[in-house]
Amino acid sequence: NAGVTQTPKFQVLKTGQSMTLQCAQDMNHEYMSWYRQDPGMGLRLIHYSVGAGITDQGEVPNGYNVSRSTTEDFPLRLLSAAPSQTSVYFCASSYAAQGNSPLHFGNGTRLTVT
Amino acid sequence: EDQVTQSPEALRLQEGESSSLNCSYTVSGLRGLFWYRQDPGKGPEFLFTLYSAGEEKEKERLKATLTKKESFLHITAPKPEDSATYLCAVGGDMRFGAGTRLTVKP
Repeated sequence: NAGVTQTPKFQVLKTGQSMTLQCAQDMNHEYMSWYRQDPGMGLRLIHYSVGAGITDQGEVPNGYNVSRSTTEDFPLRLLSAAPSQTSVYFCASSYAAQGNSPLHFGNGTRLTVT
Repeated sequence: EDQVTQSPEALRLQEGESSSLNCSYTVSGLRGLFWYRQDPGKGPEFLFTLYSAGEEKEKERLKATLTKKESFLHITAPKPEDSATYLCAVGGDMRFGAGTRLTVKP
C-alpha cells in the first residue's frame, strides 16, 4: 500500500517551460487536491477534485491546470513556468468530501523555476 | 474569509520541558480542526481531528484541545524525536496555518 505517490521529487525549469507533476493514490479516495508550500505562508490550495471528471479551483489556481480522468490519478500542469511558481508542491487525498476528513499527503515535488 | 494563525512560529525546548502550541481560527461554521506533523522533506502526517469545543485527543506525549476560537497542542516531556513542524488546519476549505517549528534539544 503506497498511499500517495508524487513524481518527480525535484525539478528545475526555465521560465516559460511547461511540465506536469504526477500524483497517484491507491486508497480509492474520491477527494484529491494540490497544495503549494512556501516559507512563512503555509499550505495553500491550488486545485481540488471530488471525483473522476470533476475539478475545481482553490485559493491560488492561476498558472496551473488539472484534470481527473481516473480515481487514482490527479496530475498538475504548469503551462508556462514563472519564477513565482518556485515552491514545494504536495498532492493529498481523503476518503470523504473536502474538509470532512483527514488528508493523506505525498512527499512533495520541489520545483525551482529560473 | 477563514483565517488560521499559529503561534509561536518557532519553539525550542529542552528534552522534558513541556509546552503548548497555539492555533487560533476564524471560520464560518467549523467542520473540524486538524493537526498534522511535518518532518523535513516529507509531506504532513495526520495527528488529530477535533470537532467540538471541549473535545480532547491524546497520542503519546501529545494532547490536542479545542475551544470556540482556538486549539492547543500540548507536548508533555518532549523528546528529540518530537522535533518537527506542527500544522493545524480548519475543515471546509481545509485552510492551513503557517505552522510551528518545534526543536527539542537533548
